Amino acid sequence: GQSLEQPSEVTAVEGAIVQINCTYQTSGFYGLSWYQQHDGGAPTFLSYNGLDGLEETGRFSSFLSRSDSYGYLLLQELQMKDSASYFCAVRQTDSWGKLQFGAGTQVVVTP
Amino acid sequence: DGGITQSPKYLFRKEGQNVTLSCEQNLNHDAMYWYRQDPGQGLRLIYYSQIVNDFQKGDIAEGYSVSREKKESFPLTVTSAQKNPTAFYLCASMGNYGYTFGSGTRLTVV
Repeated sequence: GQSLEQPSEVTAVEGAIVQINCTYQTSGFYGLSWYQQHDGGAPTFLSYNGLDGLEETGRFSSFLSRSDSYGYLLLQELQMKDSASYFCAVRQTDSWGKLQFGAGTQVVVTP
Repeated sequence: DGGITQSPKYLFRKEGQNVTLSCEQNLNHDAMYWYRQDPGQGLRLIYYSQIVNDFQKGDIAEGYSVSREKKESFPLTVTSAQKNPTAFYLCASMGNYGYTFGSGTRLTVV
């Protein structure tokens, strides 16, 4: 089967940097993606890693190490609007695009 | 603008009643998915479809049914066999790298 682990909550102040780790166990790994969900809203796609290394998109970066079955999402220059839940999700090969989601990390940004 | 439209936004179901959640997309995506989210939890896959007239069960398909008669539409029916249907239901389609989600339907049993 598959499993993903990520911290349940992280608190940081505005302007700080937060790293959300995600470790996974799966067979036939294809890629790791990250989604943001504000309270009451739908998840939105943030980033995708299919190969090892760092992907940067503005203030957000995502990293993958397939040999360690590990990835992280880095949020820089935190803003109040970044307060949300962040989910990592694994896609397997031959899975028709199905994603297995982690339980989510609640990021709380304080003034 | 392209996207996914889910309706209704809120839905109330009586005991023993079947209800259908609508999901329509104009992104020209082949693959579509239904997920269920319970408070404070991640998303769990109910059903998915890669092409018209074909769909597969996900991890928690019991008590649910779907159809895919058109590429644009993937409705989900919550049947009376689903004993705990109160949840947030999300429809998604797969683009090049990630999902586009609809705005969701909140279903409550009354």
